[in-house]
Amino acid sequence: GQQVMQIPQYQHVQEGEDFTTYCNSSTTLSNIQWYKQRPGGHPVFLIQLVKSGEVKKQKRLTFQFGEAKKNSSLHITATQTTDVGTYFCAGPRTGNNRKLIWGLGTSLAVNP
Amino acid sequence: ETGVTQTPRHLVMGMTNKKSLKCEQHLGHNAMYWYKQSAKKPLELMFVYNFKEQTENNSVPSRFSPECPNSSHLFLHLHTLQPEDSALYLCASSQGYLHPEREGRYGYTFGSGTRLTVV
Repeated sequence: GQQVMQIPQYQHVQEGEDFTTYCNSSTTLSNIQWYKQRPGGHPVFLIQLVKSGEVKKQKRLTFQFGEAKKNSSLHITATQTTDVGTYFCAGPRTGNNRKLIWGLGTSLAVNP
Repeated sequence: ETGVTQTPRHLVMGMTNKKSLKCEQHLGHNAMYWYKQSAKKPLELMFVYNFKEQTENNSVPSRFSPECPNSSHLFLHLHTLQPEDSALYLCASSQGYLHPEREGRYGYTFGSGTRLTVV
C-alpha cells in the first residue's frame, strides 16, 4: 500500500548544529505537509508544499518538495533547544480516498 | 490554545466503563477527525466527519463510537475498551471539502489530546 517513510527515526545534535529530516513517499503526492510535536504535546501544522521543486523558509527552517513530488525535506539551521520534538510529514493518498498518510516522524533531541 | 479544545486531558478507565471524549473547535472548520497515536506507530485515522457527514470509519472496533452533532463538536464514546486501546487520542479539524478530490489539501489543527489509560 501507499507509504510515507521518514529518516532518520531519531537524531541527537549539539545546539548550534544543523539538522535535516527526509520524507519519502511510495507514490507521487499532490502536496506534503509538515508538523511538529513537542514532547507531551500535540502535532502542530508547520507548512504545506504543493509545487514541484518548491522551497519555503520559516526563519531557521527550510522545507523542500522534490521535483518528482515524492520526496521532501526539512532542514533546521543552527538548532536550538526549542527545536526539540518529533517532526512528521504527511501527504494525501492518491485516488478517490485523499486521507492523509503520515510518516512515523523524526525525533530530534538537542543537547545544550 | 489551538482553537481545538479536547476534554478530558487525561482519562483512566476500567474495561467495563463507559466514557466519552469531547472535542470542540472554534475555527469555523467543517471537517473533524479522530486520530489514535501510539508509540512507534504512525498516526492512525479513526473517523472523519465532513460537513457533519461521516466519511471514514477506518475499520475501527465498535467499542469506539463517534458522534458529530454539528460542525463544531465531535465526541468519541468509549465502552468495554481493552488495555491495548491505551493511547493518546487526538481530535483535529480542517477546512471542509465539497469535492472528495479536495480532501487533504488543507492543514490540520489538532487539539491537545486525551491521554487514555485502560486498566
